[in-house]
Amino acid sequence: NAGVTQTPKFQVLKTGQSMTLQCAQDMNHEYMSWYRQDPGMGLRLIHYSVGAGITDQGEVPNGYNVSRSTTEDFPLRLLSAAPSQTSVYFCASSYGTGGTLVTGELFFGEGSRLTVL
Amino acid sequence: KQEVTQIPAALSVPEGENLVLNCSFTDSAIYNLQWFRQDPGKGLTSLLLIQSSQREQTSGRLNASLDKSSGRSTLYIAASQPGDSATYLCAVDDYKLSFGAGTTVTVRA
Repeated sequence: NAGVTQTPKFQVLKTGQSMTLQCAQDMNHEYMSWYRQDPGMGLRLIHYSVGAGITDQGEVPNGYNVSRSTTEDFPLRLLSAAPSQTSVYFCASSYGTGGTLVTGELFFGEGSRLTVL
Repeated sequence: KQEVTQIPAALSVPEGENLVLNCSFTDSAIYNLQWFRQDPGKGLTSLLLIQSSQREQTSGRLNASLDKSSGRSTLYIAASQPGDSATYLCAVDDYKLSFGAGTTVTVRA
């Protein structure tokens, strides 16, 4: 079972560059989300999706875009990277309860470590 | 806005001692609360999920309690082992998940 797969695991960008962090899950989960983890701050929600074609903003959405064209994939796009976006990014998914935001057990990927110079 | 706090930030205990980890939250109108384990450089692994209607959940040496009225949850780990060394995070679901910053546990052999 692959679970939640994130690529790349490591990335270094220069300020102003754009890139996409990939996330795929093979559990047919409706709910998918992106978090960033910074030292001493816990995880903060960037964007989430409750199903294909449906996305919404989380706590810290500025500078990031998402789309959900399939149930399996939920890519996170950095439009113009800034040093403040240096962080570890986690994708997570759960069964949820179709159409609502109430989540069940959350499954995480291994993380993508991004450095912006 | 939901605020989730975990105190202490770090904890070191000798092997065999029971661990008590605390999580507090400000808004008691929650759907569920989850406890996670994170190993260095890894993602989070769900340990226990407590629904709002439940008072506790148990899995092996782990037991988590939930008191919504006081905004508190406690994770107990019995007879700690060096393999329990990790960071433990709690997350509260009140329509959106809010995470605490975690408690980093070191179990000394």
